[in-house]
Amino acid sequence: DAGVIQSPRHEVTEMGQEVTLRCKPISGHNSLFWYRQTMMRGLELLIYFNNNVPIDDSGMPEDRFSAKMPNASFSTLKIQPSEPRDSAVYFCASTQVGTNEKLFFGSGTQLSVL
Amino acid sequence: GDSVTQMEGPVTLSEEAFLTINCTYTATGYPSLFWYVQYPGEGLQLLLKATKADDKGSNKGFEATYRKETTSFHLEKGSVQVSDSAVYFCALTPSNTGFQKLVFGTGTRLLVSP
Repeated sequence: DAGVIQSPRHEVTEMGQEVTLRCKPISGHNSLFWYRQTMMRGLELLIYFNNNVPIDDSGMPEDRFSAKMPNASFSTLKIQPSEPRDSAVYFCASTQVGTNEKLFFGSGTQLSVL
Repeated sequence: GDSVTQMEGPVTLSEEAFLTINCTYTATGYPSLFWYVQYPGEGLQLLLKATKADDKGSNKGFEATYRKETTSFHLEKGSVQVSDSAVYFCALTPSNTGFQKLVFGTGTRLLVSP
């Protein structure tokens, strides 16, 4: 299996621009997670989906952030407008709920907002 | 709320030294406990886990024992290698929410020199 695939690997943008991060979970997995990693706050859960339905978005920092999962093989995390404090590594992860609780992470998207 | 506390890094060791990374947790009930590892430029990978008190998780020479009396899950390895250099995350899933709410510690960076 190819694993969790994220794109792009690196994104550099200017403040105020819209940013879209993409994730393809492992085929057959029914839960998908978006995490943000920074030096100051560590690893934070932003949102997770079960069977394409958002279950808990309490970690989404503010209305500028939105996430969608239109089908079982694709999810996006959008920031509009972006701000310098959004600079971080964003990880997508997936799992099949009920199978030994192992979470599979993508390689992440390094976002820099100038 | 539920939380995980890890020792601050970096931990710097010479090859073949003994490793301990401390992890304590706060949670109600009986959480499952995990160690994840993040190699440079990659996403997190599950290293080992334990799901009940006194369980010992082990993988690749690493071990951790679920100690409910001390609410700890310390990571150990008898002889580290340069290739073990990475960031190690302790994590838990609260027993009352199932898998989804994976709570991570802040991570501990391990640097192993030849």
